[in-house]
Amino acid sequence: GAGVSQTPSNKVTEKGKYVELRCDPISGHTALYWYRQSLGQGPEFLIYFQGTGAADDSGLPNDRFFAVRPEGSVSTLKIQRTERGDSAVYLCASSLRGQGVGTDTQYFGPGTRLTVL
Amino acid sequence: QKEVEQDPGPLSVPEGAIVSLNCTYSNSAFQYFMWYRQYSRKGPELLMYTYSSGNKEDGRFTAQVDKSSKYISLFIRDSQPSDSATYLCAAVTGGGNKLTFGTGTQLKVEL
Repeated sequence: GAGVSQTPSNKVTEKGKYVELRCDPISGHTALYWYRQSLGQGPEFLIYFQGTGAADDSGLPNDRFFAVRPEGSVSTLKIQRTERGDSAVYLCASSLRGQGVGTDTQYFGPGTRLTVL
Repeated sequence: QKEVEQDPGPLSVPEGAIVSLNCTYSNSAFQYFMWYRQYSRKGPELLMYTYSSGNKEDGRFTAQVDKSSKYISLFIRDSQPSDSATYLCAAVTGGGNKLTFGTGTQLKVEL
């Protein structure tokens, strides 16, 4: 079946601009996660949705970052007033139930590579 | 100090070698430990996970966790060029969903 898809695959923007990154999870997966991977680093957790609600947004670095999942499927990560330090690969993952990783694998998408000039 | 530490490499080995990849962690609340493989410009893919201490084997891959020393290992037997990738260790607390990753070790298996 289809995996997690993310669009766009690449996004180049200028400092100060607003960007939206989209994630389509695996069909039927109730849990959705956003991570950020900077060059040479492992992914860092940003936010986790269970259904439509953000169950844990403790990883969002500041109030310029916001994410929504209005219908419990597709999610959009929104970044306002982008800064050069926001340049990274933004990864989305989904899992069937979000009930604990032991029996609930997180499947990752290919990511969106964001470059802020 | 990061909660999960991993040597970034790069690590280069000949085909057929046994590869040992390692991580250490500092958070005693971590109960699940995972190894992900990430090919260039792709998302991480789960290889295997273990719960608490012990060994787990899956084909050519063996994962080990020693909670007493907070040490995580992945062994790859009979390594192949197709194993060339970045290997990420990760950990999570029991019932948690927030994966904490190491920096990843870049592995190259040469013919």
